[in-house]
Amino acid sequence: KAGVTQTPRYLIKTRGQQVTLSCSPISGHRSVSWYQQTPGQGLQFLFEYFSETQRNKGNFPGRFSGRQFSNSRSEMNVSTLELGDSALYLCASRVWNEQFFGPGTRLTVL
Amino acid sequence: AQTVTQSQPEMSVQEAETVTLSCTYDTSESNYYLFWYKQPPSRQMILVIRQEAYKQQNATENRFSVNFQKAAKSFSLKISDSQLGDTAMYFCAFMSSRSGYALNFGKGTSLLVTP
Repeated sequence: KAGVTQTPRYLIKTRGQQVTLSCSPISGHRSVSWYQQTPGQGLQFLFEYFSETQRNKGNFPGRFSGRQFSNSRSEMNVSTLELGDSALYLCASRVWNEQFFGPGTRLTVL
Repeated sequence: AQTVTQSQPEMSVQEAETVTLSCTYDTSESNYYLFWYKQPPSRQMILVIRQEAYKQQNATENRFSVNFQKAAKSFSLKISDSQLGDTAMYFCAFMSSRSGYALNFGKGTSLLVTP
């Protein structure tokens, strides 16, 4: 089976712009979670989608949003980018208590 | 909220030696899961080992084993016969149904294996 894929792998944006990141889970997995990784805050949970519904949400402002499509692919959107949004964004698909991570999208906000 | 603490920001070990990474956590729950993830320079997060809290037996995966002390809320990772490829960041993580199966990570330990 193919693993979790994320596109794009690298992204450079400027403050105030918005960005959309994409994640395709492992075939058959219906749960997709997003995590933000920064040197200062470490790894933090953003949200989880299951069968096109947001099932769980971390402590992030409303500028961070997501959605999931009927094929389980998920997108994460960040509006009005801030310098502090520069991070590695990791996506994971979950089966029961095991999460499988993608390679991440490195977002740099200038 | 659960907290996960890794008290060793950096560690170093020589090839073929054994090293132990520490992790403590705080929770009021009785059923939960603990994990060690490895993140090499490639940034791909890889599951190393998993422990269910209801199991008393410590998990092992080849050269990797854990010492799970539920009462002390301690979950350390032992790497035996260290290899150069073990060089990576290691994250301890907590998960429970009450937290919606979201992973709660520690700050990580950077492990360097030297020849």
